[in-house]
Formats: sequence, structure tokens, C-alpha cells
Amino acid sequence: GENVEQHPSTLSVQEGDSAVIKCTYSDSASNYFPWYKQELGKGPQLIIDIRSNVGEKKDQRIAVTLNKTAKHFSLHITETQPEDSAVYFCAAPQYSGGGADGLTFGKGTHLIIQP
Amino acid sequence: GAVVSQHPSRVICKSGTSVKIECRSLDFQATTMFWYRQFPKQSLMLMATSNEGSKATYEQGVEKDKFLINHASLTLSTLTVTSAHPEDSSFYICSAISTKNYGYTFGSGTRLTVV
Repeated sequence: GENVEQHPSTLSVQEGDSAVIKCTYSDSASNYFPWYKQELGKGPQLIIDIRSNVGEKKDQRIAVTLNKTAKHFSLHITETQPEDSAVYFCAAPQYSGGGADGLTFGKGTHLIIQP
Repeated sequence: GAVVSQHPSRVICKSGTSVKIECRSLDFQATTMFWYRQFPKQSLMLMATSNEGSKATYEQGVEKDKFLINHASLTLSTLTVTSAHPEDSSFYICSAISTKNYGYTFGSGTRLTVV
């Protein structure tokens, strides 16, 4: 099964600055890497995802980069705003043997945007 | 977009009783539904995978006789926590793969408190 490591566990940045969260995965056959934002008491909300056939994907202030050789992917948030404060999780399919797999999640990053 | 409706959002039950949690895919057919558990300040852990019309597959360490999963239709899956104990208190979240965008859509979660 997949093993996903996420760093840092807590990240505090000034409003307007950029935030970067990094994850590594263990299974080189993994091909789908989503990022989720979770607010207190709510389910995870997909904010961006990337498949293994591309190296970068961007959606307004949010971008994800993927390095398949190094088996790591990163979330980049630019021009951070107070509403970006939340816990962010990276994930990868638990098994890569094909079919519908559940996700293995990183331990999460508590992002704090300082006004 | 794809929507998974999860109910109830919160439930308190007495030790020894059973609780049922429902997840419905509102605008797509969910061939496969996943159930996760999240303890406070921790990550999501996959409990089981259910495919419509067949028995669920449980992750190692998850008691199948305690966490009963039914996926009788393409739009409804239920998780029943039987003979609940205080240590079962957790945040339970369902997820389905959307045939619309092939991403994982999550329900809003159920906060279970066993007293």
C-alpha cells in the first residue's frame, strides 16, 4: 500500500505571502494526487488535483507541482488570504493495482494566515 | 459538480446502541463508496470500500461485524456502528468516485459521540 508523508505540520504565513506544503509518496505506480482543504467540523473539500501525466497544474492562486522521479508533489498558494486558514491534506490512491481505490492521506498541515 | 449528501451531521448515542449513517450521491451514480474515520487532530483513515451489490472490503484492523456497510443501490451506502462504545466516538466521512469528473467527492461528515 501507499505511504504518504506531509510537511510541515503547521505553517504560519503573513497575509499576502505564499505558502508551500510538500508531500512524498512511496508507490511509483501511483497516478493521481489530490489536495484537500478541511475546515473545522466539515468534510474535506477538493481544491486541486494532478495526474501523473503532467508536471504542474494551476487554478488561480493555487498550483500543484509533481516530480515523479523524486516521488513528491507540492501545493502552492499565492497571495494568501485569511479564508485560506484551514487544515490541508495531500493524498494518493492506497493501492495502485487498478480499480477503484480509497485514498491514503498525509497527516495534514494546519495553515495559519496572520493578518 | 458531484455532490455526496451525508446524514446525520451529528449524533450522540448511548453505549451499547447502534447508529446508522447514510451517504447519498445526489447527481451521479456511485459504484464504489469509501468510508473513512478521523479522530481529533488526526488524518483520515480508510476503513472500508463498498461496491454496489457486493460485500464491503475492510482495511486491516477494522472489525467488519462492528462496522456494517450496506451499498444496496448506486446512490446510497450506509454505515452502521453496532454496539457502540466511547472509543468509537469519531468523525466518520464517506466518499465516492464521481463518474462526472472521476475525482473523489466527500460527504460533509458525521460527528459520532458515544456516551
